[in-house]
Amino acid sequence: DGGITQSPKYLFRKEGQNVTLSCEQNLNHDAMYWYRQDPGQGLRLIYYSQIVNDFQKGDIAEGYSVSREKKESFPLTVTSAQKNPTAFYLCASSMEGQISDGYTFGSGTRLTVV
Amino acid sequence: GEDVEQSLFLSVREGDSSVINCTYTDSSSTYLYWYKQEPGAGLQLLTYIFSNMDMKQDQRLTVLLNKKDKHLSLRIADTQTGDSAIYFCAEGPGTASKLTFGTGTRLQVTL
Repeated sequence: DGGITQSPKYLFRKEGQNVTLSCEQNLNHDAMYWYRQDPGQGLRLIYYSQIVNDFQKGDIAEGYSVSREKKESFPLTVTSAQKNPTAFYLCASSMEGQISDGYTFGSGTRLTVV
Repeated sequence: GEDVEQSLFLSVREGDSSVINCTYTDSSSTYLYWYKQEPGAGLQLLTYIFSNMDMKQDQRLTVLLNKKDKHLSLRIADTQTGDSAIYFCAEGPGTASKLTFGTGTRLQVTL
């Protein structure tokens, strides 16, 4: 079955460390997205990519970085510059021209700073 | 910019109908969506409505769209405990060429 896989499900980071969250999809979707979810704040867009080797900043890109070297993969690195990284991170993908399908979401990664 | 507003919380009794409301600002949106998020999980697409429609029914779900007022609602008939979740509305792609999500409404179903 096609889908979008995020790993790990839980991640713990020490202060000052960079960590990378994985997002892989086998839906042949063109676009991929990273969102951050905090209680009561809905989803905030971090980065998105509409094509391989290209990506754009979202609303809260500071302290994060991404790459899109393959169509299937869109990893997110949370750098030490992100001062409040504890949150639930969601990856999503979509297919150009299939607007009614909306976005397909992964099951999320919960990142906690210890 | 685009903005999507929802109330944060709704509590209903099992068997009653739930109505979750959403307002949006981008009049160029072509589709409006409802997603469901269960605890610790990703978002699951429940239904969508094209912007030139005013109603869509899908089993227990009814979506109403008032395009003039930019108001969207999701009615869940015969609400069950399994319907307890956070519900997000989303609009797009309009001027932003990507979806904009609301803040989410937490639905609590009581016995």
